[in-house]
Amino acid sequence: QVQLVQSGAEMKKPGASVKIFCKASGYTFTDYYIHWVRQAPGQGLEWMGWINPNNGGTDFAQKSQGRVTMTRDTSISTAYMELSRLTSDDTAVYYCAREFGGYFHDSSASYYVGSFGYWGQGTLVTVSS
Amino acid sequence: DIQMTQSPSSLSASVGDRVTITCRASQSISKYLNWYQQKPGRAPTLLIYAASSLQSGVPSRFSGSGSGTDFTLTISSLQPEDFATYYCQQSYTTRTFGQGTKVEIK
Repeated sequence: QVQLVQSGAEMKKPGASVKIFCKASGYTFTDYYIHWVRQAPGQGLEWMGWINPNNGGTDFAQKSQGRVTMTRDTSISTAYMELSRLTSDDTAVYYCAREFGGYFHDSSASYYVGSFGYWGQGTLVTVSS
Repeated sequence: DIQMTQSPSSLSASVGDRVTITCRASQSISKYLNWYQQKPGRAPTLLIYAASSLQSGVPSRFSGSGSGTDFTLTISSLQPEDFATYYCQQSYTTRTFGQGTKVEIK
């Protein structure tokens, strides 16, 4: 069965960086994008970006650009998300999620719809002086 | 970026009620719309993908509909385990979520 296991909680000071891992199992790691989503305390979900484990390609939400780095190590089926120049606004639970692909059809074609089908357990990052 | 707006932000309902949550996109997204359920302290789970397809293992009391800019998630008969927060999410462009709808016990 698909499993995503994340690293443990982190406490950081403002200005520092944090690197979280997401270890995948139960499927071929390079076949599906890994996304990162965060949730501040009492708030909604915010998509941060994705990494293509096959070639290391990435795409980020505009808000994340410049501070976030996503990498992977295919030898151990693990994705990483590093966030730099932390502020208190970065205090959140960070989730990795594996892409799930579904389709809808019309009379002429089928269309791929990506979603977040499998989630890690979340990693709490607390930024405080 | 495409903005996703859910309504209501919260609702109170009783077991057995029919519940409908609405999600509106700031531009047409065809059927590139997914729904998630999140319980406190837990990761979200995928309920509906491509606007109306039920994810494997999800009870049939959940259903989704819509296309273009307007979408709905319906729970036909609310069960105790359905009290949670629900999010819509678009995949037409870079991914964005709605702000969530909290379903509480009346």
